[in-house]
Amino acid sequence: KQEVTQIPAALSVPEGENLVLNCSFTDSAIYNLQWFRQDPGKGLTSLLLIQSSQREQTSGRLNASLDKSSGRSTLYIAASQPGDSATYLCAVYNAGNMLTFGGGTRLMVKP
Amino acid sequence: DVKVTQSSRYLVKRTGEKVFLECVQDMDHENMFWYRQDPGLGLRLIYFSYDVKMKEKGDIPEGYSVSREKKERFSLILESASTNQTSMYLCASSFFRRGELFFGEGSRLTVL
Repeated sequence: KQEVTQIPAALSVPEGENLVLNCSFTDSAIYNLQWFRQDPGKGLTSLLLIQSSQREQTSGRLNASLDKSSGRSTLYIAASQPGDSATYLCAVYNAGNMLTFGGGTRLMVKP
Repeated sequence: DVKVTQSSRYLVKRTGEKVFLECVQDMDHENMFWYRQDPGLGLRLIYFSYDVKMKEKGDIPEGYSVSREKKERFSLILESASTNQTSMYLCASSFFRRGELFFGEGSRLTVL
């Protein structure tokens, strides 16, 4: 059974810092991996989707990488801003149409 | 932009009441999903649907049912609400079966 882990569970950084969020998965036979952002009390917002054949995807200040062989994905946020404060979740689709979510990393960017 | 709309952001119901949570998407997506999210338990899949009038049980279907009479609308029904169904309910849709998932704003249900 696929397990998805996000460490750390919480992270606090000063504004302007570049940071990396981690996502690990136990079964490397994935179809794709998606990163989401969730603000308190709200739904999830899709940030980036990486297909299993891709190594990375970029959107603005966000860059997500995927290393299937090591079971890892990272979300890089450049020049962090207080508005980036949120919980970030990754989710992995296996070939069997099963989607597994990580527990999330709660990010706080301090002005 | 894809829009997934959940009809109620906050609901308060009494134990034993029947509860309807409505979800509508405007992008002609085939696939729709209902999740609940609880602190410490993460997101758990309740039901999903790959087509009109089609439904499949997820990981925690007990106490819930769903209806998909039209492609754009997927309803979650709590036949007899219980306090352990107090939760945040999230609807999602996707075009492809394992495609990018788009979520609604969520419905916070409190059962007293």
